[in-house]
Amino acid sequence: AQSVAQPEDQVNVAEGNPLTVKCTYSVSGNPYLFWYVQYPNRGLQFLLKYITGDNLVKGSYGFEAEFNKSQTSFHLKKPSALVSDSALYFCAVRDTGYSTLTFGKGTMLLVSP
Amino acid sequence: DVKVTQSSRYLVKRTGEKVFLECVQDMDHENMFWYRQDPGLGLRLIYFSYDVKMKEKGDIPEGYSVSREKKERFSLILESASTNQTSMYLCASRSAQHSNQPQHFGDGTRLSIL
Repeated sequence: AQSVAQPEDQVNVAEGNPLTVKCTYSVSGNPYLFWYVQYPNRGLQFLLKYITGDNLVKGSYGFEAEFNKSQTSFHLKKPSALVSDSALYFCAVRDTGYSTLTFGKGTMLLVSP
Repeated sequence: DVKVTQSSRYLVKRTGEKVFLECVQDMDHENMFWYRQDPGLGLRLIYFSYDVKMKEKGDIPEGYSVSREKKERFSLILESASTNQTSMYLCASRSAQHSNQPQHFGDGTRLSIL
């Protein structure tokens, strides 16, 4: 079985400060990991993915994520938050041998001016 | 760019009605998916389709059915709508040849059942 957890319903950060949105996963094989962002009244937009290789993955809009196999984590990070980063963020995982993604419950990121 | 289009952004229907939600993608993707999104529950997979005329149940298929007669179109059907099916519905597609590529999502249909 595959599962993913986003332990924080909401993350608050001031503009210009670094941000982290947490994600942990559970799989039997090797994980394929994804981050998506959702702006109000829109669908999900792909940010970045980890399939294999370098543990630090860079994605769209200055976001990056670090794959940590020993901690089974894939936290989303950005060095300097923007107010426009305020949105709902979803982590998703797919185990080898599975054809579908399992999504976390989402974390609302609020960046204050 | 891949475009996934959901026919309605907002839809209001009555209990007991048969409801059709339509989704069309323009990138010749084999795989298509229907999710519902509820606050605090994230996205849950209702049904998916590997290819034309193929369908598989997801995590919450009860009360729903699907149709995939053409490659570009994937329809979600609520046979007899109930108030607990009020939700945001999201369609997505993905290439089967590049299954590690991300799914591409439509903008969603916010469905209210009265």
